[in-house]
Amino acid sequence: NAGVMQNPRHLVRRRGQEARLRCSPMKGHSHVYWYRQLPEEGLKFMVYLQKENIIDESGMPKERFSAEFPKEGPSILRIQQVVRGDSAAYFCASSPEDLTGARGYTFGSGTRLTVV
Amino acid sequence: GQQLNQSPQSMFIQEGEDVSMNCTSSSIFNTWLWYKQDPGEGPVLLIALYKAGELTSNGRLTAQFGITRKDSFLNISASIPSDVGIYFCAGQLVNNAGNMLTFGGGTRLMVKP
Repeated sequence: NAGVMQNPRHLVRRRGQEARLRCSPMKGHSHVYWYRQLPEEGLKFMVYLQKENIIDESGMPKERFSAEFPKEGPSILRIQQVVRGDSAAYFCASSPEDLTGARGYTFGSGTRLTVV
Repeated sequence: GQQLNQSPQSMFIQEGEDVSMNCTSSSIFNTWLWYKQDPGEGPVLLIALYKAGELTSNGRLTAQFGITRKDSFLNISASIPSDVGIYFCAGQLVNNAGNMLTFGGGTRLMVKP
């Protein structure tokens, strides 16, 4: 029973490059959430997606950031033209369709993005 | 936006001691959660609280959902070295728009054997 799978675990990008972070939710989960954690801080909500739909992107910067959760395949968080301030740990969580609260809310191990 | 104030920011205690940490919010939540995060890993759920006033235990951990729905505390009794890590509170407002979490800033716990 695989959990939420994120890859890569570590990603190094030069300023101006693109970063693509992938998240495969738990089997049977159709809701995906992305959170960002800056060093020494708590997690901050970015975006909430269901299959093929963005439900809430209120926490995601308007510029350079985008997210998708296609019908087939993992959810992708894309950061274009990365800057040093994008360096952080990015966590994905998934929950089942019935939204039974946090009992169904499982986090992946995260992708640590370093921009050099 | 909603903010959670978590205290203390860090604690350095002796093995065997009890630990207490708390969170307060400027807004009401209908669920309070406590997570532990180990280095290089994602948060792992420890305790979930769903009703105001609820007191819940999980082994040596006890947490309470404040009666005002704006605060929660977590106690760890008889701490052991493997309790080391960062503990986060999180508030959740479950509604038709989703069930996003608002996290506190974390309490870094260090346990001296």
